[in-house]
Amino acid sequence: QKEVEQDPGPLSVPEGAIVSLNCTYSNSAFQYFMWYRQYSRKGPELLMYTYSSGNKEDGRFTAQVDKSSKYISLFIRDSQPSDSATYLCAMNYGGSQGNLIFGKGTKLSVKP
Amino acid sequence: NAGVMQNPRHLVRRRGQEARLRCSPMKGHSHVYWYRQLPEEGLKFMVYLQKENIIDESGMPKERFSAEFPKEGPSILRIQQVVRGDSAAYFCASSRSGGGTEAFFGQGTRLTVV
Repeated sequence: QKEVEQDPGPLSVPEGAIVSLNCTYSNSAFQYFMWYRQYSRKGPELLMYTYSSGNKEDGRFTAQVDKSSKYISLFIRDSQPSDSATYLCAMNYGGSQGNLIFGKGTKLSVKP
Repeated sequence: NAGVMQNPRHLVRRRGQEARLRCSPMKGHSHVYWYRQLPEEGLKFMVYLQKENIIDESGMPKERFSAEFPKEGPSILRIQQVVRGDSAAYFCASSRSGGGTEAFFGQGTRLTVV
């Protein structure tokens, strides 16, 4: 079993739709959870990070963590064509370990 | 407020040559991380450095790869005697605090070995 599982998609939605992106993980020692957006041939861009279970909102983005189920989600409201990108979840153990464990990414396409 | 700067953006090397990838972290960041991304693969951790110290190199191949972050200047990822399998995008990230949390990435160096 991989440490972090993420459906690669592709996921295609119409403009204005609510998008739900998810990752599951197997290691309960993970402490921090992050979502990155990566446009084609660009570097990953940090969208959000959370520490505890619960929700965190930033504009049109909401990150949700359920540690009991080892499940994290990113919701995008009122999706725009400019949101078309690959979304990567990442997590780490915190402390002195610098190793971010990434999912393979979900490719999202928002159609006008 | 410049982000993480990587250069060169594209690098072509013949098999057997050396590749040097440079990374300047964001201002105020003293923690640097290198990742490799192969086509259709996720980002894989290689090494974590602070100034003059390697903190975690558990993801580095045992041979041909080395990294440094000197007191002055950028962090360097060095690949000796490159092979075709080294062709990938190499990303550098930096953070203000340790542990990789809230790490910001550069635009990457795309290495092609011919």
